[in-house]
Amino acid sequence: AQSVTQLGSHVSVSEGALVLLRCNYSSSVPPYLFWYVQYPNQGLQLLLKYTSAATLVKGINGFEAEFKKSETSFHLTKPSAHMSDAAEYFCAVRARGSSASKIIFGSGTRLSIRP
Amino acid sequence: GAVVSQHPSWVICKSGTSVKIECRSLDFQATTMFWYRQFPKQSLMLMATSNEGSKATYEQGVEKDKFLINHASLTLSTLTVTSAHPEDSSFYICSAKLAGATDTQYFGPGTRLTVL
Repeated sequence: AQSVTQLGSHVSVSEGALVLLRCNYSSSVPPYLFWYVQYPNQGLQLLLKYTSAATLVKGINGFEAEFKKSETSFHLTKPSAHMSDAAEYFCAVRARGSSASKIIFGSGTRLSIRP
Repeated sequence: GAVVSQHPSWVICKSGTSVKIECRSLDFQATTMFWYRQFPKQSLMLMATSNEGSKATYEQGVEKDKFLINHASLTLSTLTVTSAHPEDSSFYICSAKLAGATDTQYFGPGTRLTVL
């Protein structure tokens, strides 16, 4: 079964600092991996996804994530945090091989940005 | 493109009443839609998978008679919370998968349900 673990329920960084949100997955074969962002009282917006091409995936708003099979990780990074990045971030996984298989979400990491 | 809407965005109802939430894919056809619920400061939990024209597949522990799902067209799925109770108060989010797509779901903005 697929699962994802997000390390750290809350991360706080200063504006302009590096953002690093950690995600590790568990899967017998490399799955599809996603990062979503959720602003208060809103739905989820896809930041980026890994399907099987380049291991370094670039997303929207300057975010990127690197798929590392040896570490079973898919950490999300952004070189310079902006106040508007404050939100809840979810790592998610979906198994390959079935177009209708469900997405499993991590527990989420709340990102706060200090002025 | 790929916009999903939900209606209403929030609803308050009395205990024992039923509430219907609509999920629409505005500019694409969605053969599969998903319904999630999210409790405060928690992750999304999949409730059911809905395929157009067929019965929904519910996750373990989700009461199908309480959470009625209808997916009558390629652009509309509805979730009806029957005989709602305060413990059903939650944020309900739907997502839709493009027909033929393999991995991307597009999420609606969510519906905040409060049962008094």
